[in-house]
Order: sequence, then structure tokens, then C-alpha cells
Amino acid sequence: GAGVSQSPSNKVTEKGKDVELRCDPISGHTALYWYRQSLGQGLEFLIYFQGNSAPDKSGLPSDRFSAERTGGSVSTLTIQRTQQEDSAVYLCASSLETGSGNTIYFGEGSWLTVV
Amino acid sequence: AQSVTQPDIHITVSEGASLELRCNYSYGATPYLFWYVQSPGQGLQLLLKYFSGDTLVQGIKGFEAEFKRSQSSFNLRKPSVHWSDAAEYFCAVVPSGGSYIPTFGRGTSLIVHP
Repeated sequence: GAGVSQSPSNKVTEKGKDVELRCDPISGHTALYWYRQSLGQGLEFLIYFQGNSAPDKSGLPSDRFSAERTGGSVSTLTIQRTQQEDSAVYLCASSLETGSGNTIYFGEGSWLTVV
Repeated sequence: AQSVTQPDIHITVSEGASLELRCNYSYGATPYLFWYVQSPGQGLQLLLKYFSGDTLVQGIKGFEAEFKRSQSSFNLRKPSVHWSDAAEYFCAVVPSGGSYIPTFGRGTSLIVHP
């Protein structure tokens, strides 16, 4: 597609359930990011993938959060045993090779509500 | 510690008035600087970016921003605001060396009165 695609766009889940959020970056983009945006808050960095390098997981808030990127393209963010404080918009972004100031493009986000 | 500050949580302007949104950063060296806009229920759209060179940067939708090294600032401006500019605005910085991970400010919510 022309832009970063995320699915589902909206997800309501019960506390304690696992959820998977998917991101399909722009074709050819080697860098992929996940951010979390809570109500009234800025963007909180979660995880960063760059090519075949080991991902930077320094932003993941707990071991309930994990992410994979298969084949250098599609990424899945998994939240296990969801809690109410996990309710937020999860934004995915991608860019060309990093290090030279390339623009980072965002998807429209996956809105997660934990009830 | 490295940080990005947007001191104004909300700004209210009248349609047709000028606008300035503030952004200050704290980094060891001049970072890459970005402004993004987020309309309700939408993702983030890039307005403009500064990497080097001319410190006055033109962006989309009539926005511009000026990088001031002495003040560690990258303020966003628009001479005449339209009602459709009502949105959330985020300043972001990326270190010019090391890991290319943007840090975002908390955002400024722009309200436009008719």
C-alpha cells in the first residue's frame, strides 16, 4: 500500500486476554517503530526495528509486551494478559534507512480498549 | 537527560489570527527536528522537518518553523490560522548520531474559534 497500514483499527478486549496488533510498513522501509499514545499524553516509544539488527526494546513497559518483525516487513505487537492501563492508541511508523534524517511515516493507529 | 518540551498544553486562537507553537529541546548536539500534526482519530502527519542549512523551514499547509540554536528551540508558526488547523501538534527530535529513535513532546492542542 501507499502508507503504513495497521490492523485492527479498533479492538475491545477483556482484562487478562492477549491481543495482537499488526503493522504493515511502507514497502522498502527498513526501519519500523511502535509507539503508544495514552489519552491526553504524548507518544511513548516502545520498540524499534532496523533491518536485520537486533531490535531496540528499551521502551517496552513490561514483559507482557513483545514484538516481532517477520521477513523485514510486517510487524506484530503482542500484549499478554492485558490490563486496563494498556488502553491506548498503538501507533506504528516506518522510514527508509536511518541515520540520514529520513522522514518517519505513521499509520492511523490501533485503538485498544481493555474492559 | 535528553528531552523535548512543549510548554503549552492548549492554545486557543481566532480564525485568521497568527499562531506560534513552542518547542524546546535538550540534547548535546543539534538533533534532527520535526513537527507533526494529528487530527482527531487520525495518525500523525509530517508538517516539516529541519536537518541542516537554512534555519527557517517551510512546510505543508502554510506552516513554517525556525530553528534557533542559541535557544534550543524549534517553534512552529502560521501567519493566518484556518478552522481546519484545529488539531494536536507534536514536536519531535532525533539525535543526529546514534540510534534514530524520535522523542516526542507531549503535544499542544490547538483550538480555533470562528
